[in-house]
Amino acid sequence: GALVYQYPRRTICKSGTSMRMECQAVGFQATSVAWYRQSPQKTFELIALSTVNSAIKYEQNFTQEKFPISHPNLSFSSMTVLNAYLEDRGLYLCGARLSGTGQAVFFGKGTRLTVV
Amino acid sequence: GEQVEQRPPHLSVREGDSAVITCTYTDPNSYYFFWYKQEPGASLQLLMKVFSSTEINEGQGFTVLLNKKDTRLSLNLTAAHPGDSAAYFCAHGNEKITFGAGTKLTIKP
Repeated sequence: GALVYQYPRRTICKSGTSMRMECQAVGFQATSVAWYRQSPQKTFELIALSTVNSAIKYEQNFTQEKFPISHPNLSFSSMTVLNAYLEDRGLYLCGARLSGTGQAVFFGKGTRLTVV
Repeated sequence: GEQVEQRPPHLSVREGDSAVITCTYTDPNSYYFFWYKQEPGASLQLLMKVFSSTEINEGQGFTVLLNKKDTRLSLNLTAAHPGDSAAYFCAHGNEKITFGAGTKLTIKP
């Protein structure tokens, strides 16, 4: 079946430092990868959507300068949180979509970021 | 941008009773709708994927209704059991998926 692995599962970083997280699709080719953040007591906010052969699209309030994303192939993506501060804490989910429109997005277990 | 209003934010029902969660969306051109379940400390589990052409969708122990005229999507749990206690999120979109705010469902014995 389709699986999405995220690494690390949990991480703690000091305020002002950076943290990189990874997302790996296993068993399928993901034509698009979306990164979401679930802040404490909140819903899932889309950070950016990365589609094969297209530029990465960032949502309002999220920038490439703050959340640079690498998507080198159909099975791997990474995102870095630069200069992390308290408001960046939360659960970061990677969602990979199977090829073909209408396919549901399969999520990894997320990377939980704590900033101290 | 697209918005999704999900109600209620919290819901508590007794074991064996039904539970209904509703989402109202604004984009009438959305084709795809989803319900996800998130247990404490876990990621999102896909419950059901719905296409805009199908108004009634039945899963194991639940039904998803799509009312395109009213742009409303609902999740109906028919006989709740303790394992249903979790947060539930509706989502919809074509290329980009937008999530509702979530409903925390608690099943009381």
